[in-house]
Amino acid sequence: SAVISQKPSRDICQRGTSLTIQCQVDSQVTMMFWYRQQPGQSLTLIATANQGSEATYESGFVIDKFPISRPNLTFSTLTVSNMSPEDSSIYLCSVLLEAPYEQYFGPGTRLTVT
Amino acid sequence: KQEVTQIPAALSVPEGENLVLNCSFTDSAIYNLQWFRQDPGKGLTSLLLIQSSQREQTSGRLNASLDKSSGRSTLYIAASQPGDSATYLCASCSGAGSYQLTFGKGTKLSVIP
Repeated sequence: SAVISQKPSRDICQRGTSLTIQCQVDSQVTMMFWYRQQPGQSLTLIATANQGSEATYESGFVIDKFPISRPNLTFSTLTVSNMSPEDSSIYLCSVLLEAPYEQYFGPGTRLTVT
Repeated sequence: KQEVTQIPAALSVPEGENLVLNCSFTDSAIYNLQWFRQDPGKGLTSLLLIQSSQREQTSGRLNASLDKSSGRSTLYIAASQPGDSATYLCASCSGAGSYQLTFGKGTKLSVIP
């Protein structure tokens, strides 16, 4: 298994500002993912972040809005830029452990945009 | 595009009952399937992972089955307890290369003491 931490755990931000969310894992992993969970909804994949390459974004998500860094095998950041109330969600990072390729999730960051 | 459906959306049972949560998926070409538990305002806890070649997996009071050909998985919870109250999510894994998870909307379980 993997132990994943996220910072901050929650934040309240004003419209038009940006927030950077950090994700730290206790072991080296190749693949990390960022998901969004809007109120009352299930999880939607934002992007896949592999160390040493540019993040791959899913349809509907763009790098200018959600820039991602992956500087090493244990850390990643997701920035939510130029926020609007529609960005109010829980943001979760996950890691993929090889064989049996099971994903583990962090505790999430609850973002409220006013 | 894979679609994952979970039925029922919500379930309330008295303590001690056995129960079954259902998950269906449209594309049977999955790599594996995971069941998660999510407590209110929290992250996801992995419960069980079933490889595409497996039929079932067991952990304690939990048993998950997989029928790839029919696009179905079930999560069986034996002797339910109030502490089992949570939202249960199933997610199919797309396979080699991307390993992306597609989630259902979940089943919210309430176990009444």
